Amino acid sequence: QVQLVQSGAEVKKPGASVKVSCKVSGYTLTELSMHWVRQAPGKGLEWMGGFDPEDGETIYAQKFQGRVTMTEDTSTDTAYMELSSLRSEDTAVYYCAIAIVGAPYFDYWGQGTLVTVSS
Amino acid sequence: DIQMTQSPSSLSASVGDRVTITCQASQDISNYLNWYQQKPGKAPKLLIYDASNLETGVPSRFSGSGSGTDFTFTISSLQPEDIATYYCQQYDNLHRFTFGPGTKVDIK
Repeated sequence: QVQLVQSGAEVKKPGASVKVSCKVSGYTLTELSMHWVRQAPGKGLEWMGGFDPEDGETIYAQKFQGRVTMTEDTSTDTAYMELSSLRSEDTAVYYCAIAIVGAPYFDYWGQGTLVTVSS
Repeated sequence: DIQMTQSPSSLSASVGDRVTITCQASQDISNYLNWYQQKPGKAPKLLIYDASNLETGVPSRFSGSGSGTDFTFTISSLQPEDIATYYCQQYDNLHRFTFGPGTKVDIK
């Protein structure tokens, strides 16, 4: 059974960084592509980036280029998403989601992590 | 970047009604179009992948069709548990994903 368990809610000040984790069980990270999607309060879903198995690298949505870093620790099957230079508009629920390698859709999702940016 | 539009943005229908949502891509995306259901406070759930394939375990009242730029999502007989927001999602030739703005479905 596949499970993605994310770290807990965070409150950050503007200008700070946040790092959200996502631990995978039921698969190893090498068998899948990890992606991150966020959702601001009352708004829609926004893809931030993820691992592209065809090119073998992590790609980011243009909007987040230079401000987001996605990493993986294959020894613990845990993925991380770090967003820097936070502003109030980054207040959102951040989801990790996986695509089984080669499949262009997200089969499983984490429970979400609320990040609140407030002074 | 490929833009996705969805219509309607919201709808209200009776139990047992047929519900149809459309999604349009700004460029040809072949059949790289997926549909998700999101209930309040929950993570999205994959319903349809590659435009018309039903994800395992998803009730057969859900279906999808289309290719190129125009896609349709249908609930053949709306049930109370189908109250949710539905999103289309595309995957483009640069290996990037974009979601549509969503369609909120509720019971009349």
